[in-house]
Amino acid sequence: GAGVSQSPRYKVAKRGQDVALRCDPISGHVSLFWYQQALGQGPEFLTYFQNEAQLDKSGLPSDRFFAERPEGSVSTLKIQRTQQEDSAVYLCASSLRGQGAINSYNEQFFGPGTRLTVL
Amino acid sequence: QKEVEQNSGPLSVPEGAIASLNCTYSDRVSQSFFWYRQYSGKSPELIMSIYSNGDKEDGRFTAQLNKASQYVSLLIRDSQPSDSATYLCAVKGTGNQFYFGTGTSLTVIP
Repeated sequence: GAGVSQSPRYKVAKRGQDVALRCDPISGHVSLFWYQQALGQGPEFLTYFQNEAQLDKSGLPSDRFFAERPEGSVSTLKIQRTQQEDSAVYLCASSLRGQGAINSYNEQFFGPGTRLTVL
Repeated sequence: QKEVEQNSGPLSVPEGAIASLNCTYSDRVSQSFFWYRQYSGKSPELIMSIYSNGDKEDGRFTAQLNKASQYVSLLIRDSQPSDSATYLCAVKGTGNQFYFGTGTSLTVIP
């Protein structure tokens, strides 16, 4: 596709509900990242995939957060038993190559984000 | 200490002036550096990437990197009202993670 797409764009959940956020990266991009952005803050790293392999999940804040990319393209971020502190914008980004590159191939391109509000 | 530090601003400059945005980082082995622009309610948009010491120019934008001082900056020449946004500095080390600063809010006054 032309760019990274995410759905839904907005999600309102009641506390305790499970949610699933989808990311469709740029076609052919190897690397996929998930970030959480709170109001007035920069994006905070959650997890990283290289193709279908989840190489880094050190940023996931709790075991309620789970991400997958089973076929190396579309990714889903799932949050179980949502809490109010989970309210944020969840951003997905993709880049052309794996993260061993030190050149323009590791430039990340962001999707529009999903704004999650937990009541 | 945060990995990436930026002055949150707000920074105000008159139209046509040069806007200077600064960023420092803590990981001395960081290798890749990026500037993103983020309009209110939108996602970050890549403006510049820089990988080696010195200056890199692209149109009205110039990124400057000084690895010895662990400092990266962005200059915007001939600032326009449409440049009003939050500018995020991002740094990648040897691992997979990208670290973002909290952003500097820029307002260009017509």
